[in-house]
Amino acid sequence: QITLKESGPTLVKPTQNLTLTCTFSGFSFTTSGVGVGWIRQPPGKALEWLALIYWDDDKRYTPSLKSRLTITKDTSESQVVLTMTNMGPVDTATYYCAHRLSGTSWLYWGQGNLVTVSS
Amino acid sequence: QSALTQPPSASGSPGQSVAISCTGTSSDVGGHNYVSWYQQHPGKAPRLIIYEVSKRPSGVPDRFSGSKSGNTASLTVSGLQAEDEADYYCSSYAGSNNFEVFGGGTKLTVL
Repeated sequence: QITLKESGPTLVKPTQNLTLTCTFSGFSFTTSGVGVGWIRQPPGKALEWLALIYWDDDKRYTPSLKSRLTITKDTSESQVVLTMTNMGPVDTATYYCAHRLSGTSWLYWGQGNLVTVSS
Repeated sequence: QSALTQPPSASGSPGQSVAISCTGTSSDVGGHNYVSWYQQHPGKAPRLIIYEVSKRPSGVPDRFSGSKSGNTASLTVSGLQAEDEADYYCSSYAGSNNFEVFGGGTKLTVL
């Protein structure tokens, strides 16, 4: 059974950096083809893909936020960490981590972590 | 503004069929067979219901079907049921630079 769970702050101040951790079970980065991604959703708005990391440490970022994002993995801890710098109010959203099925389809999702950016 | 264009709303009566479109470009929808559809109920995480244009994950009813023609993908929900009322999002692989793009979402109402 595959599960994922996001953890991190629920409130950050403008200009601060955000660090979110995705802790998962039921699969491992030691398996070829495995990928974990981050997707966010502002309140009442659409989904937006942010980043993806593969089993071989290959990484992909959405172009509009690439300069602010860093995705890393800890295979032994079964975790993926997303860091986003210089947070602003427009970054207020629920941040999801998800397990890749194939291509860019996400079969298993975490429950989400709502992050509010406010002073 | 989302990269893929979906109608903001769609509706149908129980038992009817409804189709939701997702229009992109030759760089995403039209250029790759990696179109996915997600169902999202309020306050819940999205649920994958279609991947690779027309494949269904295990457990997804065959009332949900996907197709693609040119730069437009479509999700058809047949035999509408009350529990199908939700938001639906499409996404597509968009090449090695943009990688993945989502649609703006469609709110499906079961009348």
